[in-house]
Amino acid sequence: KNEVEQSPQNLTAQEGEFITINCSYSVGISALHWLQQHPGGGIVSLFMLSSGKKKHGRLIATINIQEKHSSLHITASHPRDSAVYICAVRLVEASGSRLTFGEGTQLTVNP
Amino acid sequence: KAGVTQTPRYLIKTRGQQVTLSCSPISGHRSVSWYQQTPGQGLQFLFEYFSETQRNKGNFPGRFSGRQFSNSRSEMNVSTLELGDSALYLCASSLERGRDFYNEQFFGPGTRLTVL
Repeated sequence: KNEVEQSPQNLTAQEGEFITINCSYSVGISALHWLQQHPGGGIVSLFMLSSGKKKHGRLIATINIQEKHSSLHITASHPRDSAVYICAVRLVEASGSRLTFGEGTQLTVNP
Repeated sequence: KAGVTQTPRYLIKTRGQQVTLSCSPISGHRSVSWYQQTPGQGLQFLFEYFSETQRNKGNFPGRFSGRQFSNSRSEMNVSTLELGDSALYLCASSLERGRDFYNEQFFGPGTRLTVL
């Protein structure tokens, strides 16, 4: 079982719809990241969370540490939001820290 | 402020060769991490460097190595290339002030390596 599970794997929406992507993890973490990757490979960091909720424009990220679960919400989705969204958790180990990634959610927003 | 830069952007090598990839972090960032992305395995952690010291290493064979210079620029090297090393190699930098204080990571555009 992967340490980080994302759902859904693929998501198709119509422009304007409210979108939710979920992330569950099975280990203790120090932080959780939501990343966006467009075709061509570039990755942009959207949020880094260790508790509560963060909002940036139409994007909202929440995390529940006790339930080991995070959600990324996109309000009023737009075709330019089409991308792969990746959840990553920062694990702190005796040897140091590392990011462990979910498999990603491919989002397509149709006009 | 300039973003994270990686060179080269694209590279084609043959099996058995070695390759060196370079990453220049955002000015002032002292932490550099490297990741491998393949269609089958997704994103996987390779190494993390902070102030010229390797802080952690992922589960990759010894053919994968890296280093960080005093100006925080980092290189990774893959020796004896295999077909399975074909991947997008990404580096990310962050402004970290110590072992237990972690910041947002800023990713470079990646180097796409093809091994023939």
